[in-house]
Amino acid sequence: QKEVEQNSGPLSVPEGAIASLNCTYSDRGSQSFFWYRQYSGKSPELIMFIYSNGDKEDGRFTAQLNKASQYVSLLIRDSQPSDSATYLCAVMTFNKFYFGSGTKLNVKP
Amino acid sequence: DGGITQSPKYLFRKEGQNVTLSCEQNLNHDAMYWYRQDPGQGLRLIYYSQIVNDFQKGDIAEGYSVSREKKESFPLTVTSAQKNPTAFYLCASSKDRVIEDEQFFGPGTRLTVL
Repeated sequence: QKEVEQNSGPLSVPEGAIASLNCTYSDRGSQSFFWYRQYSGKSPELIMFIYSNGDKEDGRFTAQLNKASQYVSLLIRDSQPSDSATYLCAVMTFNKFYFGSGTKLNVKP
Repeated sequence: DGGITQSPKYLFRKEGQNVTLSCEQNLNHDAMYWYRQDPGQGLRLIYYSQIVNDFQKGDIAEGYSVSREKKESFPLTVTSAQKNPTAFYLCASSKDRVIEDEQFFGPGTRLTVL
């Protein structure tokens, strides 16, 4: 079983819609959770991190964490074509980072 | 400007050759990491270092070697023992091992074996 699981997609949403990206993790001892955005051929850039149960909002982005169910999600409101990228979920467990394989998001104009 | 630099951006290697990928950071970060990314896959940890003169194997260390002689530098050598080295290599750094720690990534080196 992989440490971090993501649906590879692609997830297609129309411009202006809400995109919902999900991630599950296997280790209940995981401490911190990160969402990175990666454009094709580029390196990942951090969007948000969360470590407490509940929601965390930053602009159009909301991260949601549910430790009991071991999942973390990222909502992107008012999706724009420039949001089209692969979104990587990362989990920090016992001082090691584990990355999911990413979900590809396509936002159609 | 603070950041992480990697060189070269593209690297071509003949079979049987060792090559070294450079990673430098001026963020004064303690921890540095090397990842490998294959098409359609996530990042897999090769090596990481939390302090100077110390480093640990990640999940796929075979065929790779590293050194950490200076805080700001963490070069990766891809040896001839690595049977399938063609991939995108990413170096990252982080400030400290705290719960809110995030990793900052360099621009990456794309290695191709000819």
